[in-house]
Amino acid sequence: DIQMTQSPSSLSASVGDRVSVTCRASQNIINYLNWYQQKPGKAPKLLIFAAISLHSGVPSRFSGSGSGTEFTLTISSLQPEDFATYYCQQSYTTGTFGQGTRVE
Amino acid sequence: QVQLVQSGAEVKRPGASVKVSCKASGYTFTSLDINWVRQASGQGLEWMGRMNPVSGDTGLAQDFQDRVTLTRNTSINTAYLELGSLRSEDTAVYYCARVSWSSGWFFFDSWGQGTVVIVSS
Repeated sequence: DIQMTQSPSSLSASVGDRVSVTCRASQNIINYLNWYQQKPGKAPKLLIFAAISLHSGVPSRFSGSGSGTEFTLTISSLQPEDFATYYCQQSYTTGTFGQGTRVE
Repeated sequence: QVQLVQSGAEVKRPGASVKVSCKASGYTFTSLDINWVRQASGQGLEWMGRMNPVSGDTGLAQDFQDRVTLTRNTSINTAYLELGSLRSEDTAVYYCARVSWSSGWFFFDSWGQGTVVIVSS
């Protein structure tokens, strides 16, 4: 099965910072990559699909890039409501997730 | 609006089974797959499997192939996850999620609120 590896596992940032999270796939998944945000006690929310496409209603400070095996989620200017855990998910085969990156 | 409402928390003994329900509303239940994802406390998201509500066809992650059954009742727009031979490591929050598609890409765009399952003797 395809393994997804995120880095870092956590990062410390301040409001206004530019933040990037990396996700690597164990094989080429082209651009079949989604990003989710999860806050404590809540279900995940879709941010980005197809590696670069912003889901409806998601602020434009979120962006995705990459293809093949390496992908990046970027928050251009971190807002207070963005402190959360972020997960990548491959949609090339099933729906396996990365282990998450906590932004604190 | 689209809603997935899951059944309430469960406490089970090791070796028992648990059945979690996921009732869909706000869209045509048979038009999109339902997936199941679990999350142990403080851990990441673990994809468990998917089900086509029309055909009943399922696909399961390798780790769950011998213990998970996914079913549905289309007359009440409800999907079910049954996990058997429970062990303490199955203690987690279980989520159902609706799959949506856009030009060949799929993603989980609506999620249930989660069901806590505790396995304890």
